[in-house]
Amino acid sequence: AQSVTQPDIHITVSEGASLELRCNYSYGATPYLFWYVQSPGQGLQLLLKYFSGDTLVQGIKGFEAEFKRSQSSFNLRKPSVHWSDAAEYFCGSGGYQKVTFGTGTKLQVIP
Amino acid sequence: KAGVTQTPRYLIKTRGQQVTLSCSPISGHRSVSWYQQTPGQGLQFLFEYFSETQRNKGNFPGRFSGRQFSNSRSEMNVSTLELGDSALYLCASSLGDGGGTEAFFGQGTRLTVV
Repeated sequence: AQSVTQPDIHITVSEGASLELRCNYSYGATPYLFWYVQSPGQGLQLLLKYFSGDTLVQGIKGFEAEFKRSQSSFNLRKPSVHWSDAAEYFCGSGGYQKVTFGTGTKLQVIP
Repeated sequence: KAGVTQTPRYLIKTRGQQVTLSCSPISGHRSVSWYQQTPGQGLQFLFEYFSETQRNKGNFPGRFSGRQFSNSRSEMNVSTLELGDSALYLCASSLGDGGGTEAFFGQGTRLTVV
């Protein structure tokens, strides 16, 4: 069965600092991988996705993620965090219609 | 174009009752997926409907059921509510014609069981 691990439950970064959120997946074949963001009281918004091809994918809001098969990882990065990036971030694998999510990482941004 | 609409947004029910939640997908989308989100278990897949048929199912008891209508609107029903059913229930819609089409989430229905 597929599983997704987000080892960091909570991360605090200063505004303007770089960000990396970790995600590891467990799946035999090359999975579909996603990053979603959830603001308080809201649903999930897709930041980016990886299906195949270039292992560095660009998403919305200045986010990018890199697929590394050798490490079974799909880490999310942003070079400079804005206060509005404070939210919860979910990594997921599977197809669009059935996503296995990690437990999420809450991002706090301090001035 | 309107997004995914979930109704109601908030609901309070008593243990033992049943509840029905509604999800109206984006126009033209034929797939609707349902998820349960709780602080303890995170986001868990419930089921997915495509063209009125359940196509995928998660690992939830039979008290959780769903259906989809010919206009792609979907409902999920939870019978004999338990305190542990308190959660945010999210639905997501997509074209559903393969793995490559994005799913869009609604804002969810917050169910509280007392």
